[in-house]
Amino acid sequence: DAGVTQSPTHLIKTRGQHVTLRCSPISGHKSVSWYQQVLGQGPQFIFQYYEKEERGRGNFPDRFSARQFPNYSSELNVNALLLGDSALYLCASSFTPNTYNEQFFGPGTRLTVL
Amino acid sequence: TQLLEQSPQFLSIQEGENLTVYCNSSSVFSSLQWYRQEPGEGPVLLVTVVTGGEVKKLKRLTFQFGDARKDSSLHITAAQPGDTGLYLCALRGNTGKLIFGQGTTLQVKP
Repeated sequence: DAGVTQSPTHLIKTRGQHVTLRCSPISGHKSVSWYQQVLGQGPQFIFQYYEKEERGRGNFPDRFSARQFPNYSSELNVNALLLGDSALYLCASSFTPNTYNEQFFGPGTRLTVL
Repeated sequence: TQLLEQSPQFLSIQEGENLTVYCNSSSVFSSLQWYRQEPGEGPVLLVTVVTGGEVKKLKRLTFQFGDARKDSSLHITAAQPGDTGLYLCALRGNTGKLIFGQGTTLQVKP
């Protein structure tokens, strides 16, 4: 079975541009979470979606937004890119947001902002 | 201020050596997880520890949860180059979101 998939793998943008990152969860998983991982640090929580509704939001500015589609795939959008947005963006899926359900991570999208 | 402090931040050792990585906090946890992340991959769950004083073993990896549930350690015996990666400890929030430490980068040289 396919794991969590993310696209694109790598992306280069310039300051001020907009970016859309995509995530397909494991089949049967209805919850998707997004994390930002700056080089040399642990991942930081951005959003969690379950059944197309936002269930949690981390300490990120309004330039960051996300949505979940009826097929449970998800998009993360970042507007007005800053140099500091350069990071690995990870998507994780689980059956539900329940604490006892393991989250499975995708390989991430490496975003570079020049 | 990091909720979870990991140490050391970077470790470079020779194949066959033993090592211990620590994860500490001033808060009490109901449970704690350890992940390994290899270059170009997302984190992969290694273990979840729940009970104070609990010890779990995964082949050459031994995980311990402190008696007071405020700290945890990961010990690797006879490290191999395949153990190279970023080791992360994490808390699971009520809504399921994960709160990670800053990680320990391990390099095992052949």
